[in-house]
Amino acid sequence: EAQVTQNPRYLITVTGKKLTVTCSQNMNHEYMSWYRQDPGLGLRQIYYSMNVEVTDKGDVPEGYKVSRKEKRNFPLILESPSPNQTSLYFCASSLRDTQYFGPGTRLTVL
Amino acid sequence: GENVEQHPSTLSVQEGDSAVIKCTYSDSASNYFPWYKQELGKRPQLIIDIRSNVGEKKDQRIAVTLNKTAKHFSLHITETQPEDSAVYFCAAMNVVGEKLTFGTGTRLTIIP
Repeated sequence: EAQVTQNPRYLITVTGKKLTVTCSQNMNHEYMSWYRQDPGLGLRQIYYSMNVEVTDKGDVPEGYKVSRKEKRNFPLILESPSPNQTSLYFCASSLRDTQYFGPGTRLTVL
Repeated sequence: GENVEQHPSTLSVQEGDSAVIKCTYSDSASNYFPWYKQELGKRPQLIIDIRSNVGEKKDQRIAVTLNKTAKHFSLHITETQPEDSAVYFCAAMNVVGEKLTFGTGTRLTIIP
């Protein structure tokens, strides 16, 4: 089954404790992206990747890192999480323009 | 960069009536305009999209129109049903594989 998976689905952590949210797709898509969703602000792009070893900043990259060492995986790294990064995070992948979203990761930073 | 504005932020319609959600964008180079539906607690799901070489596209009860001159596009849902209740997002992309900018969403409520 074609899908985008994210782990973990829920995470509660404390300020400053490094964490990684994984994203994986099995559709051989070149393009992958991370978004955060906050009430009243819609979905805002954090980082995107057009292919392996190619990443670029979206609209809200501060405080986040990504890597794209292989086509199927695109992890999101928070080196030192802060409470303002409490949000719902979505990973997405696409072959051209139609994006397919993962199930989301709800992150709470205390 | 691209800026997408979406209106209204909330919309309530009687079951069976039509609903219209409107978006404007700022970057004239944008050429791909998807619409996503997000039900409570779920991921956004693509419901329809339109590319800049097309002015209108229809899929059963859902249609999207695009006016490139005015830089706006709209989602039309006819014969609304309770299962249409959700948050709808418009978006715009200027180059394949680059940034996708979303509107802030419209919460649509269908009143039985």
